[in-house]
Amino acid sequence: DAKTTQPNSMESNEEEPVHLPCNHSTISGTDYIHWYRQLPSQGPEYVIHGLTSNVNNRMASLAIAEDRKSSTLILHRATLRDAAVYYCILRDNYAGNMLTFGGGTRLMVKP
Amino acid sequence: EPEVTQTPSHQVTQMGQEVILRCVPISNHLYFYWYRQILGQKVEFLVSFYNNEISEKSEIFDDQFSVERPDGSNFTLKIRSTKLEDSAMYFCASTQRGTEETQYFGPGTRLLVL
Repeated sequence: DAKTTQPNSMESNEEEPVHLPCNHSTISGTDYIHWYRQLPSQGPEYVIHGLTSNVNNRMASLAIAEDRKSSTLILHRATLRDAAVYYCILRDNYAGNMLTFGGGTRLMVKP
Repeated sequence: EPEVTQTPSHQVTQMGQEVILRCVPISNHLYFYWYRQILGQKVEFLVSFYNNEISEKSEIFDDQFSVERPDGSNFTLKIRSTKLEDSAMYFCASTQRGTEETQYFGPGTRLLVL
């Protein structure tokens, strides 16, 4: 899978929006952009994924740049429960099912 | 909501002993995975399993490791002779289909090898 780059950590205030960036300049045309998060002492949890268009679900929104070289995970109103490590992962549908996790971004939410 | 379960939640073993970590994937899922996370490090893929055989495995998944689906519900990871460096959180995951599908992870088993 192509490599992604994320900031090591970010801070947010509770009830404010959070924009978590991810760079993936070597993304290929068949790579899907997946976001997972890992709450403290838990297993990874799916957040959202997309290919080219922006996506929304009950947890978050995913904004994908027109050239697909970057994306942003948007949490519309951060809560203390959103404090986690967020992973941006590229998956090629033709290259197997495994997820390749990087270091992710540790999001800290202040009350 | 259906979830992946894992047992035990914690296991302590002596170096050289065999351990079996157990997972119950979501009932209608067909693809199963094991990952591990050494303390403070990244989540690493170990193996994927479909139709009663390994479909992919990483370099970590050497001859000391094996996986099995002994019945219609359990999916196990066996480490034949544990080493100190096997100490980690082990996560099981499952998907209904293969690529692109959301992987559902269990809560993990913390393995400590002394």
